[in-house]
This record gives sequence, structure tokens and C-alpha cells, in this order.
Amino acid sequence: DGGITQSPKYLFRKEGQNVTLSCEQNLNHDAMYWYRQDPGQGLRLIYYSQIVNDFQKGDIAEGYSVSREKKESFPLTVTSAQKNPTAFYLCASSTGRTGRDEKLFFGSGTQLSVL
Amino acid sequence: AQSVTQLDSQVPVFEEAPVELRCNYSSSVSVYLFWYVQYPNQGLQLLLKYLSGSTLVKGINGFEAEFNKSQTSFHLRKPSVHISDTAEYFCAVSGRGTSYGKLTFGQGTILTVHP
Repeated sequence: DGGITQSPKYLFRKEGQNVTLSCEQNLNHDAMYWYRQDPGQGLRLIYYSQIVNDFQKGDIAEGYSVSREKKESFPLTVTSAQKNPTAFYLCASSTGRTGRDEKLFFGSGTQLSVL
Repeated sequence: AQSVTQLDSQVPVFEEAPVELRCNYSSSVSVYLFWYVQYPNQGLQLLLKYLSGSTLVKGINGFEAEFNKSQTSFHLRKPSVHISDTAEYFCAVSGRGTSYGKLTFGQGTILTVHP
């Protein structure tokens, strides 16, 4: 079945540590996105990539980094500069076009907590 | 830039009763409008979207929404809810001409359906 796989489901970070969240899709989508979800705040866009080897900052990119070396993969690194990393992280993908049939597909998320 | 306000953080309702979840938005450009649903510890699923044309949009699971340009609203309705509709619902917008995945979300409304 086609879809988006995020791993791990739960992740713990120690002070000063960088951690990487994995996102893989087999939908042949060009565009991929990372959102952060905090209770009562909805989702906020961290980074997005519309094509391989290119990505742009979203609304809350500080303390995060990404890479897009392969079409199917868009890993997110939460660096030690992100002072409040505890949140639910959602990866999504789409074809990247703006036609009527365009749709955003979401993974099942990674819950990151600070030890 | 866009912003989205969901007017109710929690909506309790009895099974088989009608429900309306309210969403207002602001934007300096024309927008696409979306409603997503999230079940516990899962990603988001698209319920419905408004791109253009008829202002009444029908989605999955018996939900519908009406776009009101003059009131900048996009309220979600269902005439008779089921226990399985218990979830968190998010209203979202994206600017026309941008990728569908570059969304601005509201804070979410938790719908709880009681027997």
C-alpha cells in the first residue's frame, strides 16, 4: 500500500542532543512537509520541499534542519538550538501541483519528548 | 499571510444530534479552504475542501461545509453525529497558487459525541 511512514513513533531527547525524525513516502510525490503540533495551537509549518535538493523554511524553522537528497525521503533534525522541542511532529506529502484533485497525505506522527 | 480562528475549542454533543464547528479566516489573497479530522495519535485525514464554484461543499462521512466570502467563514456541519465522529477537527487555508501542503491551520476543535 502507498503511504507515508514516520519513525520512530516515540522519541526522547536529552539536553544538548540532536535527534532526527524519519519520513519516507512511496507515493511518488514531489512535495513534502514537516508540521509541528502543540495542544491548543493547531499545526505549524516547519519546513517544506517542493523538489529534490531544494527546501524552504516555514513559519517556525528556527532550531530545525532538513535535507531532501531523495524524492521519497525528507528527514527532520531537531537541534539543540530548539529550546522547546516537546511536540507531535507530522510529515506530509502531495504531488505539489495545485489542481482540483490535489490532496495532502499525512503520516501517523512522531511524539518527541525531552528527558 | 493568512490566519484561521476556530471559535470553539471543545464541542460536546449527543449522538444523532446535529453539530456545527465554526471557522473564520483572514487573508490578503484568495484562498483554498480545508477541513481535516484527526483521531487520537494519528495523522490528519482530509474531510473536504473548497477550491471554487459552489459554496456548499460535501465531504466524507456525511460532513458538509459552506463557504461564506462576505463573512470569511467556512463552518463545518453534520446533521446527525455518531460516536465514531469523536475526534479533533482542524480548519485550514492556503493561498491560491501555492502548494496545497503549505497550510495555515486553526487551533482545532475537539468534538466529543456522547451516547
